[in-house]
Amino acid sequence: GAGVSQSPSNKVTEKGKDVELRCDPISGHTALYWYRQSLGQGLEFLIYFQGNSAPDKSGLPSDRFSAERTGGSVSTLTIQRTQQEDSAVYLCASSSPQEPREQYFGPGTRLTVT
Amino acid sequence: DAKTTQPTSMDCAEGRAANLPCNHSTISGNEYVYWYRQIHSQGPQYIIHGLKNNETNEMASLIITEDRKSSTLILPHATLRDTAVYYCIVRVWKAAGNKLTFGGGTRVLVKP
Repeated sequence: GAGVSQSPSNKVTEKGKDVELRCDPISGHTALYWYRQSLGQGLEFLIYFQGNSAPDKSGLPSDRFSAERTGGSVSTLTIQRTQQEDSAVYLCASSSPQEPREQYFGPGTRLTVT
Repeated sequence: DAKTTQPTSMDCAEGRAANLPCNHSTISGNEYVYWYRQIHSQGPQYIIHGLKNNETNEMASLIITEDRKSSTLILPHATLRDTAVYYCIVRVWKAAGNKLTFGGGTRVLVKP
């Protein structure tokens, strides 16, 4: 079946511009996660959505970062006034409410801020 | 979440079993051991998880020591496509919001 999809796959933007990254989770998955991964580094949690509950935003690095999830499905991660340190691969994952609730990851969006 | 320690890198011959160790000496009773891997330029992929019993699925086997302070992921017949970074994670299974945090992992290179 269809996996998690993300768009765009690559994004190059100038410092100071805003960007929007999109995630389409697997149908029926109630949980959605955003992570980022800098070159050669591990995974950094950003934000988590579970059903209709308030999102866990504890991983967002600054108030320039925000995310929303419309209709319990598609999610958009927005970065305002991008900085060079925002350059990374942004990964989205979703998981089923059924055990073992493993997370399925999308291919990621590679963001480069010049 | 308990901290894990893994070797930085490991080579394996194609067709042979790859045994990937992980130490988690501070693991608590309600924490599970999860394994994910990340192939170059792809998102992480779930492999297997377990609590205290050994587990096997179509991808791998997970052997957990009796004291649960270490575990081994076994890829029974490694292929070139198994070249990836393998991450061992210890966490409570039903924690609200299963945020994953990956450390350095083990970089596995399968050689022909």
